Amino acid sequence: KQEVTQIPAALSVPEGENLVLNCSFTDSAIYNLQWFRQDPGKGLTSLLLIQSSQREQTSGRLNASLDKSSGRSTLYIAASQPGDSATYLCAVSGGSNYKLTFGKGTLLTVNP
Amino acid sequence: KAGVTQTPRYLIKTRGQQVTLSCSPISGHRSVSWYQQTPGQGLQFLFEYFSETQRNKGNFPGRFSGRQFSNSRSEMNVSTLELGDSALYLCASRQIRGLRETQYFGPGTRLLVL
Repeated sequence: KQEVTQIPAALSVPEGENLVLNCSFTDSAIYNLQWFRQDPGKGLTSLLLIQSSQREQTSGRLNASLDKSSGRSTLYIAASQPGDSATYLCAVSGGSNYKLTFGKGTLLTVNP
Repeated sequence: KAGVTQTPRYLIKTRGQQVTLSCSPISGHRSVSWYQQTPGQGLQFLFEYFSETQRNKGNFPGRFSGRQFSNSRSEMNVSTLELGDSALYLCASRQIRGLRETQYFGPGTRLLVL
């Protein structure tokens, strides 16, 4: 059974700092890995999707890496801003379906 | 393109009642998935529908059921509500083009069971 762990559970940083969020998964037989953002009381917004054959994806100040063999992914946020404050969720899909298995998220607070 | 819409946004029910939640996917998307989010368990997969057929089901009791209509809209039903069913229920849609696509999530329906 796939399990996804995110560390740390919460993170508070000053504005402008670069930061890294971590995600690990137990079964390396995945099709892809996604990072989502969730604002309080809202749905999920997809940030980056990495196919199992890829090593990283970039979008603006965000960079996500994937090491499938070790079951790890990182989300790097450059020059953090208060608007980046949210919960960041990592999810993997695997097997013959598109079921996503989620981690419990990292609550990020960027202080002005 | 309009995003995924879910109705109602908030719902209060009492134990033993039943509830029906609705999800309208993005136009052209034929796959709809449902997830339950609670503070303790996080996000958990409920089921996925494609072309009116349930393709996958998570580890939830039979009180949780769903269906999909010919226009791809989906409904989720929970019967005999329990306090532990209080959660944010999220719906997600995607086109079927293999596994390269992300899922697009709606804003969710927050259910409170008293």
